[in-house]
Amino acid sequence: EAQVTQNPRYLITVTGKKLTVTCSQNMNHEYMSWYRQDPGLGLRQIYYSMNVEVTDKGDVPEGYKVSRKEKRNFPLILESPSPNQTSLYFCASSLLAGTHEQYFGPGTRLTVT
Amino acid sequence: AQSVTQLGSHVSVSEGALVLLRCNYSSSVPPYLFWYVQYPNQGLQLLLKYTTGATLVKGINGFEAEFKKSETSFHLTKPSAHMSDAAEYFCAVSQDDYKLSFGAGTTVTVRA
Repeated sequence: EAQVTQNPRYLITVTGKKLTVTCSQNMNHEYMSWYRQDPGLGLRQIYYSMNVEVTDKGDVPEGYKVSRKEKRNFPLILESPSPNQTSLYFCASSLLAGTHEQYFGPGTRLTVT
Repeated sequence: AQSVTQLGSHVSVSEGALVLLRCNYSSSVPPYLFWYVQYPNQGLQLLLKYTTGATLVKGINGFEAEFKKSETSFHLTKPSAHMSDAAEYFCAVSQDDYKLSFGAGTTVTVRA
C-alpha cells in the first residue's frame, strides 16, 4: 500500500530534550515536506526537500532541522524543543512531475512542557 | 508569496442543505488548487484538485469545486450536507516550487 508513515504518533516531552520524528514514504517520491498545524493558522511549511541531500527552509524553520540521506526518509529533528513547538506535525511527499498532489502522513501530536 | 483566504472559520449547516466553503488565492499565474478534509483526530485527505482543463472539478463524497480565474477563487460546494461531512476543510495552492500554501481552515458543523 502506497503510504507516508510517521513515528511516533503522539509524543510528550520536556523543554530542551532533543527529539526526532521520523517520516518514510514508499512511493519513490522526490519531494518531501514537513508542516505544522496550529488552530486558526492552517498548515505551515517547516522544511522541504526536492531530492536526496537537497533541503531548504519553509515558512517556519526556526528551531527545527531535517536531513535527507535516503530518498524514502525525511526525519524532523528538534534539538532543543520549546513549548511553542507544541503542535500537530505532518509529513508529506509528492512526485516532482505531475499534479503537485501531496500525500500526507497521519500526523504526530507533540506536546512540549 | 502565495496567500490563501478561506472566508469563515466556522460554517454551520442543516442536514440536507447546501454546503458552500469559500476560497480565494493571490496569484497572477494559475496555480494548482486543492481541497483537503480533516476529520476529528485524523490526518488530511484529498477531496479534489484542479490542475488544468475543466474548471468544474468533482471530488469524493459528492463535493465539487469551480476554478474561476477572473475571481481567483476555488469555492467548494456540496448540494446536500450529511452528518458525516462534519470536519475541518482546508483550501491549498501550489505553484512551480511545489510548496503547498494553506488557508486557515473552515470547520463545518452539520445540524440534524
